[in-house]
Amino acid sequence: DMKVTQMPRYLIKRMGENVLLECGQDMSHETMYWYRQDPGLGLQLIYISYDVDSNSEGDIPKGYRVSRKKREHFSLILDSAKTNQTSVYFCASSYRANTEVFFGKGTRLTVV
Amino acid sequence: QQKVQQSPESLSVPEGGMASLNCTSSDRNFQYFWWYRQHSGEGPKALMSIFSDGDKKEGRFTAHLNKASLHVSLHIRDSQPSDSALYFCAASNSAGNKLTFGIGTRVLVRP
Repeated sequence: DMKVTQMPRYLIKRMGENVLLECGQDMSHETMYWYRQDPGLGLQLIYISYDVDSNSEGDIPKGYRVSRKKREHFSLILDSAKTNQTSVYFCASSYRANTEVFFGKGTRLTVV
Repeated sequence: QQKVQQSPESLSVPEGGMASLNCTSSDRNFQYFWWYRQHSGEGPKALMSIFSDGDKKEGRFTAHLNKASLHVSLHIRDSQPSDSALYFCAASNSAGNKLTFGIGTRVLVRP
């Protein structure tokens, strides 16, 4: 069963705390992504990873960093979370260029 | 300015009716288009891709692409309550690794 798994599904953090969002995929996809979704803004690309330790900034990387040490695992880190980082975060993966992107179910992060 | 613009923002259709969604890109590098559907509480899921001019039909869903005008549409025939969802248009260039999404069209199918 092709799957992208995100943990946790819901998270509440205080402003200034560090946040770790984790993502795994079981399809051996080389490319993985982190998006955030906000009302009225659609899905915005934060980071893209082409393989282990091969990461590139997306459209809104400020305030985020990523880590990919294994092909099947991609983490999003928020150092000192801010209230404007309250959002739903989606991890995704794809086999290669211009093929279907598979999304996880998302993590709803609230920063208070 | 959004590089991928969708209209309408929301749409209500009766069960069994036709839903028509539109998408226009302002970036001539975008030549590959996708439609994704997102049900409440879930992640987006690909409905179909369209890379060539003309129509592409998959079941009750038909996409149409006009590359000259960078316009793509999605038509849902015989709409079902399960089609109620947020529909995203997404586009990429020939490198294809970075999908740019529109804001989405919310479709409600009335029983």
